[in-house]
Amino acid sequence: NAGVTQTPKFQVLKTGQSMTLQCAQDMNHEYMSWYRQDPGMGLRLIHYSVGAGITDQGEVPNGYNVSRSTTEDFPLRLLSAAPSQTSVYFCASSLTSGGAGDEQFFGPGTRLTVL
Amino acid sequence: AQSVAQPEDQVNVAEGNPLTVKCTYSVSGNPYLFWYVQYPNRGLQFLLKYITGDNLVKGSYGFEAEFNKSQTSFHLKKPSALVSDSALYFCAVRPSGSARQLTFGSGTQLTVLP
Repeated sequence: NAGVTQTPKFQVLKTGQSMTLQCAQDMNHEYMSWYRQDPGMGLRLIHYSVGAGITDQGEVPNGYNVSRSTTEDFPLRLLSAAPSQTSVYFCASSLTSGGAGDEQFFGPGTRLTVL
Repeated sequence: AQSVAQPEDQVNVAEGNPLTVKCTYSVSGNPYLFWYVQYPNRGLQFLLKYITGDNLVKGSYGFEAEFNKSQTSFHLKKPSALVSDSALYFCAVRPSGSARQLTFGSGTQLTVLP
């Protein structure tokens, strides 16, 4: 299994540009999520999905959209990039939506810089 | 609202000495507690979790953690530190039996000195 994969690994955008961060998992996990990691702030949840066709907002959803058309894929869209979105983005998945205490599996991350 | 506190941004320990990385939490009801490790330029890796049962939980790479309900703590420990243990460590919590989302602490940078 490849686990959780993310593309691209690095990206530089100009303010106002849009882009999509890709995330895929091959473990047939029900739950997927996107986090951003900023120095001294740990990981903050952006959006999550408990199954195909179902998404919801996390702690910091503004400026981001998600969709979950398949179990495997969970792309994150930046609608109009802002310098405040400069961060490292992690996708994660777990077998279920958390009621059973499943641990999450993380992708390698995407380092995004917005100029 | 649930929260996690990791009171030390940085922990330094000599190789071979025991190490402790502290974590306290706040959550409604009983907690699910997790420790993750992050090596430079990598994603987070799961170390161990407390769901229920024995308060002492053993995980990967010789790490263990002790759940203390009265002190609402879940400190990470290892009897003998290795230089290769140097990394960023995150504690996380969610209410047990709930699909509520995982809340992470701000992280503790562990440096093991040779």
